[in-house]
Amino acid sequence: DQQVKQNSPSLSVQEGRISILNCDYTNSMFDYFLWYKKYPAEGPTFLISISSIKDKNEDGRFTVFLNKSAKHLSLHIVPSQPGDSAVYFCAASYSNAGGTSYGKLTFGQGTILTVHP
Amino acid sequence: DTAVSQTPKYLVTQMGNDKSIKCEQNLGHDTMYWYKQDSKKFLKIMFSYNNKELIINETVPNRFSPKSPDKAHLNLHINSLELGDSAVYFCASSLTHVTSEYEQYFGPGTRLTVT
Repeated sequence: DQQVKQNSPSLSVQEGRISILNCDYTNSMFDYFLWYKKYPAEGPTFLISISSIKDKNEDGRFTVFLNKSAKHLSLHIVPSQPGDSAVYFCAASYSNAGGTSYGKLTFGQGTILTVHP
Repeated sequence: DTAVSQTPKYLVTQMGNDKSIKCEQNLGHDTMYWYKQDSKKFLKIMFSYNNKELIINETVPNRFSPKSPDKAHLNLHINSLELGDSAVYFCASSLTHVTSEYEQYFGPGTRLTVT
């Protein structure tokens, strides 16, 4: 029962163009969403996040959009650079009635992004 | 100046053996985690410790036993290794466990291969 899914295993884009990575979730209790980036032989590194009270969060070239009604979020990278080539993981968490999440993240299976020069 | 380190990076062992993976963080965080990345590439949380106290314990065989001697260390001991335990194990830490708004910092992973 995968509650967070990234249905595109891979994405290939040209340098300078936009990269759009998608993520779907099934648990309506999720209230916080994150994107992590992973290079080979390294651990994931945090990229950007969004709270469920927002529908957009921007940080430089990276923008995350959240559509709660569709249970869908996307990561836009503009412009894409060869150094962005990596695996991108979507993750989600929710808080209990006391407002504590315990830091439990549910990850998708990742999308391999390749940016060609 | 490594933030979250794991040893060993690679571990090849035979079925039935007992092995340990060590994790240390120098970020001053109070919460540490163990994740397993299986062959389907999903990262799944196994355990979480806050100030040496177990706070997350997912459905994991009791052959897996985490131990946190102090806030900066979280080790994972695996008894009677099975073929299905082959995976990459990631350690992570965060400032607090209360909210996910504090990002988790991951170690480089330990690739465990059971033959």
